[in-house]
Order: sequence, then structure tokens, then C-alpha cells
Amino acid sequence: GAGVSQTPSNKVTEKGKYVELRCDPISGHTALYWYRQSLGQGPEFLIYFQGTGAADDSGLPNDRFFAVRPEGSVSTLKIQRTERGDSAVYLCASSPTSGVQETQYFGPGTRLLVL
Amino acid sequence: QKEVEQNSGPLSVPEGAIASLNCTYSDRGSQSFFWYRQYSGKSPELIMFIYSNGDKEDGRFTAQLNKASQYVSLLIRDSQPSDSATYLCAASGNTPLVFGKGTRLSVIA
Repeated sequence: GAGVSQTPSNKVTEKGKYVELRCDPISGHTALYWYRQSLGQGPEFLIYFQGTGAADDSGLPNDRFFAVRPEGSVSTLKIQRTERGDSAVYLCASSPTSGVQETQYFGPGTRLLVL
Repeated sequence: QKEVEQNSGPLSVPEGAIASLNCTYSDRGSQSFFWYRQYSGKSPELIMFIYSNGDKEDGRFTAQLNKASQYVSLLIRDSQPSDSATYLCAASGNTPLVFGKGTRLSVIA
């Protein structure tokens, strides 16, 4: 079946602009996760959804970052007033549920470059 | 601060040898441990997971967990050049997955 998909694959924007990154999880997966990965680092947790609600948003770095999942499927990560330090690969993952033993399946990522 | 530590490498092994990748974690509440492989420019893909102390084998891969020592390892037998990648260790418990920085493995033909 289809895996996790993310769009766009690449996004170049200017400092101060607003961006939206989209994630389409594996069909039937109720848990959806957003991570950010900088060069030479492991993925860093941002937020996860169980269904439509954000179950844990403790990884969001500040209030410029926001994510939604209105219908419990597709999710959008929104970044306001982008800064050069936001440049990274944004990874989305999904799992059947949010249990601690569930495997997370990653999408291809969106590479964000803020000039 | 919950942390997962890995040696960044690079770890170089000759083709056919055993590659040993190690990981330690700080949160004693961690219950599940995952090894992901990440090729350059690609997203992480799951290699193995382990929940119980001891060894777990899957083909050429063996994961080892020692909760008392807070230590996880991944052994790759008969290493192939196609195994060259970054290997990420991740721990999960009462918090979402925490990843290490990854160990870069290079298998020399």
C-alpha cells in the first residue's frame, strides 16, 4: 500500500515568510508525528496527533510553529515568520496507534531552506 | 533531558565483517527501542525494534538490549557495501521517540 507522503519535497522561502508543509499518513494510521532533522543530527520531535487532537506538542520550538489535523488524516505544519534557523528537513511519520511499541513509518520529508 | 547517545563514527568495516553499533539512553522509563537506517538524503527506515532484555535476531541483524545498563546495540553480520548508511537508535517510553544523532557506517568492499 501507499506509504507516508509529504509535499512539497523542497521549499525555498525568504526570511519572514509563512510556509505550510503537508503530510498524508498511511491509510488507517491514527497517530501522526512531525520531526525536524538538521544536518548531522537525528530527528527531533515536534508534535504528535492521536486522531484529530494534538496529544503532545512539547517539541514545538516556539509559537511560530503550529500544526493541525482537522479530519484525523492529513496534517499541515505551519511556520510563521520563518527564520534562517528553521532550515531543516521536516519529517512526518505515522503509526497504527500511538502505543509505545508501535513502529513509526516515515515519509520522504520536506527540505525547507529559508534564505 | 531525555537523551540517546551514539558514537557518530564513521565506523568502517570490511565487507563480510560484523559491524557493531552501540547506543545508550538516559531515561529509565524507556520501554521500546528502535534501530532505523538512513541513507544520505533519504528518510529513516525501520531495521529492527526490541522491547525485552536479551537478543533479537532478524536475518543478518541482531539487536541487543540491556535495560540495567541502559544499553542497546545492533550487530550486522556479513556486512555489505549496501549497508553503508547512518544508523539511528531511538527510545520510546512515556514520551515520544527520542533519537540519537546516528552512527555513520561505511562498509569497504
